[in-house]
Amino acid sequence: RKEVEQDPGPFNVPEGATVAFNCTYSNSASQSFFWYRQDCRKEPKLLMSVYSSGNEDGRFTAQLNRASQYISLLIRDSKLSDSATYLCVVNIYYGGSQGNLIFGKGTKLSVKP
Amino acid sequence: DGGITQSPKYLFRKEGQNVTLSCEQNLNHDAMYWYRQDPGQGLRLIYYSQIVNDFQKGDIAEGYSVSREKKESFPLTVTSAQKNPTAFYLCASSTTSGRMEQFFGPGTRLTVL
Repeated sequence: RKEVEQDPGPFNVPEGATVAFNCTYSNSASQSFFWYRQDCRKEPKLLMSVYSSGNEDGRFTAQLNRASQYISLLIRDSKLSDSATYLCVVNIYYGGSQGNLIFGKGTKLSVKP
Repeated sequence: DGGITQSPKYLFRKEGQNVTLSCEQNLNHDAMYWYRQDPGQGLRLIYYSQIVNDFQKGDIAEGYSVSREKKESFPLTVTSAQKNPTAFYLCASSTTSGRMEQFFGPGTRLTVL
């Protein structure tokens, strides 16, 4: 089983739509979770951390379900500028020591006028 | 402004030549990382360093070498032993405690002719 799995998409949605992405992770000991955004031919940029209680930043809402080992990202009122690839990222722990971040391959979002 | 710089942005080399990619950060981060990204693929970890004068192999270290003589700098050498070096190379840095979010430089796009 891959450590972090995402639906690659693409998700093609009209402006103003609400869209949700899910991501599953395999290491139950993971402690830190993030969503990054990557524009075409650019570096990934941190979009938001994901906290156990769920968190919101403007039009973006992130949720964590530890029991089912999945993370979600909800984007409301989609804008053309939201078009990008969204990377699910998990901190993997090995033997009790802090590990590195594992990046999913990303979900591509295309918002159309 | 604090951040991570990578140079050059584009690099062309002939097959069989070694090439060194630069990465500098002024975020006072202890940890630095090198990733490789191929078209349509996720990020793969090449090497990482959590402290000066120490570094660890990632998932795809063969054909690469690094050094960490200064906290601010983590250069990557792509050697002639790397069989398929053409890719987008990304450098990142983070703290070594807390959530350890990684922040990326703009990347170097290497093409081997």
